[in-house]
Amino acid sequence: QITLKESGPTLVKPTQTLTLTCTFSGFSLSTSGVGVGWIRQPPGKALEWLALIYWNDDKRYSPSLKSRLTITKDTSKNQVVLTMTNMDPVDTATYYCAHSTTFGGVIVQDYFDYWGQGTLVTVSS
Amino acid sequence: SSELTQDPAVSVALGQTVRITCQGDSLRSYYASWYQQKPGQAPVLVIYGKNNRPSGIPDRFSGSSSGNTASLTITGAQAEDEADYYCNSRDSSGNPHVFGTGTKVTVL
Repeated sequence: QITLKESGPTLVKPTQTLTLTCTFSGFSLSTSGVGVGWIRQPPGKALEWLALIYWNDDKRYSPSLKSRLTITKDTSKNQVVLTMTNMDPVDTATYYCAHSTTFGGVIVQDYFDYWGQGTLVTVSS
Repeated sequence: SSELTQDPAVSVALGQTVRITCQGDSLRSYYASWYQQKPGQAPVLVIYGKNNRPSGIPDRFSGSSSGNTASLTITGAQAEDEADYYCNSRDSSGNPHVFGTGTKVTVL
């Protein structure tokens, strides 16, 4: 049974750095084809992909946020950490982490098949 | 702005069929996955790849693709299918993910 849970501050001030931790169980992030991603959703708005780290430590970021994001993994602790610098009120959102599975042969893609419950982060002074 | 465009809202009568579309250049090369999200809940994967349903997803959900458009079809919509639906795929630069703008499905 795969589960993921996000943790971190619920309130951050503008210009601060946000650090979120995804703690998971039921899979290993050293297994080929597995990844963990972060997705956010501002209140009443659409989903936005942020970052993804693969089993082989390959890291990918949303082009629009790449300069502000860092994703890391601790396989022994079953955790993935996302940091986002220079927070702004527009970054107020529910932040989700999700398990990703890679598929395809010639053309490789992945999908998010298990999601955490999400954590609401508010940016306000 | 998203590279995957969806109609903001569609409605369907109970038991009828509804098609939700997702348009984007990257869909000429990559498959879309589809996510259902009900209010206050995390998204749930309903379709991935050519037309694959995860375990537990009813077979009334199906996916298809043509040109730059991917579609999610609900055949025989039920009240519990009322939700927001998001498509997802690689973007046109090959980055692993971009989400669509989302479609709100109302079952009448």
